[in-house]
Amino acid sequence: DIQMTQSPSSLSASVGDSVTMTCRASQGIGSHLNWFQQKPGKAPKLVIYIASSLRSGVPSRFSGSGSGTHFTLTISSLQPEDFATYYCQQSYSIPWTFGQGTKVEIK
Amino acid sequence: EVQLVESGGGFVQPGGSLRLSCAASGFTLSSYWVHWVRQAPGKGLVWVSRINSDGTIIDYADSVKGRFTISRDNAKNTVYLQMNSPRAEDTAAYFCARDNQLGYNYYLDVWGQGTTVTVSS
Repeated sequence: DIQMTQSPSSLSASVGDSVTMTCRASQGIGSHLNWFQQKPGKAPKLVIYIASSLRSGVPSRFSGSGSGTHFTLTISSLQPEDFATYYCQQSYSIPWTFGQGTKVEIK
Repeated sequence: EVQLVESGGGFVQPGGSLRLSCAASGFTLSSYWVHWVRQAPGKGLVWVSRINSDGTIIDYADSVKGRFTISRDNAKNTVYLQMNSPRAEDTAAYFCARDNQLGYNYYLDVWGQGTTVTVSS
């Protein structure tokens, strides 16, 4: 199975800050990497797909990059609604696997 | 509105059985692969199973293989997850999700709200 490792596990930031989180795959996965946002008690929502494609309706302050084994999700100018947990997920091979999540908290 | 709605969750005893349903509206489910993903209380997301559009390709996580069965009824626009011999560690919120595709890239773009399963005696 491909292991996905996210860092940091949590971060504190203020509204207006720019934050970057990292996701590493245990083997090369090309661009088969997706990012999800999840708020407490809610279903995950797709934010970025195929490593860098912004899902329709998602604000342009979200951006993704990377390929192979190293990926990043950046949120520029954090807004109050962005405080949530973010998960990366590989769709390169079965079983699909998720990172353990990065929780973005209000400083 | 494009949406998925899960149902069928609840309390079940270890060794019992439970069937979860995932009903689609606003789109034709038969055109898509569907996955189940679960989340134990306070934990992260874990992939459980997937089924292709006509039910001929099915995969499971090792942790549920031989106990859970995924199936679909395209006439009812519904996918199912039959949970047999559940264990305490199967306690989780279960989400179904639509698998969309762009070339050879796949992503879960529509998710249900989740249904909670509690396995306890």
